Amino acid sequence: DAGVIQSPRHEVTEMGQEVTLRCKPISGHNSLFWYRQTMMRGLELLIYFNNNVPIDDSGMPEDRFSAKMPNASFSTLKIQPSEPRDSAVYFCASSSPARLFSGANVLTFGAGSRLTVL
Amino acid sequence: AQSVTQLDSHVSVSEGTPVLLRCNYSSSYSPSLFWYVQHPNKGLQLLLKYTSAATLVKGINGFEAEFKKSETSFHLTKPSAHMSDAAEYFCVVSGGKLIFGQGTELSVKP
Repeated sequence: DAGVIQSPRHEVTEMGQEVTLRCKPISGHNSLFWYRQTMMRGLELLIYFNNNVPIDDSGMPEDRFSAKMPNASFSTLKIQPSEPRDSAVYFCASSSPARLFSGANVLTFGAGSRLTVL
Repeated sequence: AQSVTQLDSHVSVSEGTPVLLRCNYSSSYSPSLFWYVQHPNKGLQLLLKYTSAATLVKGINGFEAEFKKSETSFHLTKPSAHMSDAAEYFCVVSGGKLIFGQGTELSVKP
């Protein structure tokens, strides 16, 4: 398996532009997570999906952020309009089914998308 | 509510010497605990996990961690550091969703 695949790996954009980050989870994994990592705040969970349905989006910072999972093999995180404070590394992770709430799930992370908003 | 505290933001050791990265957790019930490692410009990789089986957990690359309920600790250790161990390490507690510590950056001097 190729693991969790994220694109783009790097994105530099100007303030006000729309940014779309993409994620392909591991085949057979039914939970998908979006995290944001910054020096100041560390790793923050933005949103997670179970069976393509958003379960908890309480970490999404504001209405400029939106996430979708139209099918089991694809998810997007969109920022519109982007702002310099959105600059961060965004990670997607997936995990296998059946044990999400047992507390023992292992997440497999993608390599991340580094976003710079000028 | 669950939380996790990594007691050191940065640890520096010499190659060949032991590594100790400290983690304390807070949980209202028996937790699942993990250590993840992140090498520069890479994603996070699971080192090991504790899920209420043996209290001493062995992971990859010679790392291990011991769950101590009385101390609410889950410290990560390795007997002998290698240059390739230089990375950031995250202690994680699971409470439905994973809660990450702030990370400990490990430097290894030759």
